[in-house]
Amino acid sequence: EDKVVQSPLSLVVHEGDTVTLNCSYEVTNFRSLLWYKQEKKAPTFLFMLTSSGIEKKSGRLSSILDKKELFSILNITATQTGDSAVYLCAGTLYGQNFVFGPGTRLSVLP
Amino acid sequence: SQTIHQWPATLVQPVGSPLSLECTVEGTSNPNLYWYRQAAGRGLQLLFYSVGIGQISSEVPQNLSASRPQDRQFILSSKKLLLSDSGFYLCAWAQGFNTEAFFGQGTRLTVV
Repeated sequence: EDKVVQSPLSLVVHEGDTVTLNCSYEVTNFRSLLWYKQEKKAPTFLFMLTSSGIEKKSGRLSSILDKKELFSILNITATQTGDSAVYLCAGTLYGQNFVFGPGTRLSVLP
Repeated sequence: SQTIHQWPATLVQPVGSPLSLECTVEGTSNPNLYWYRQAAGRGLQLLFYSVGIGQISSEVPQNLSASRPQDRQFILSSKKLLLSDSGFYLCAWAQGFNTEAFFGQGTRLTVV
């Protein structure tokens, strides 16, 4: 069965800290990995990773994929209270649908 | 640009009542459409997806059904709600299978 696992499930940090969120996957016909940020309602798209070892960056967020070890990390540097959210990762499969992980709930305290 | 609309935002319904949640997408054609449910503190569970008008695939057997009467309209329904149908329902669209999905704002359904 296709599966995506995220760790930690919950994390509390203080503003200015750097955090690393983990996502590992066991999926057949893997195509790419997606990261989303979910605050109150709709998950918003962050990154799509298709190739190993190529870092994607957006401001203080960055992410990288390791297709050999089947995992991805999402880094957030100099965290702010606005980064508090649930971070979801999902595997996309060739010709099939997304498989989502349970999410990591990040709380950034002032 | 593409936008996705989902309504209502919140809904409180008694057990045994019917349900209809609607989702529409603008600015694209022939999208893949999805209905997900998210239980509190949990990830997204795929309920239904559709690759075209009238084409519905169900991922989880349950008390719900979906329909796609038009290219950019996706409807989630139930004839008789159960308490266990409570949750946060998200509609999403993607341009094919191998691209990112974009989500609507969600409907929080409480069955009482």
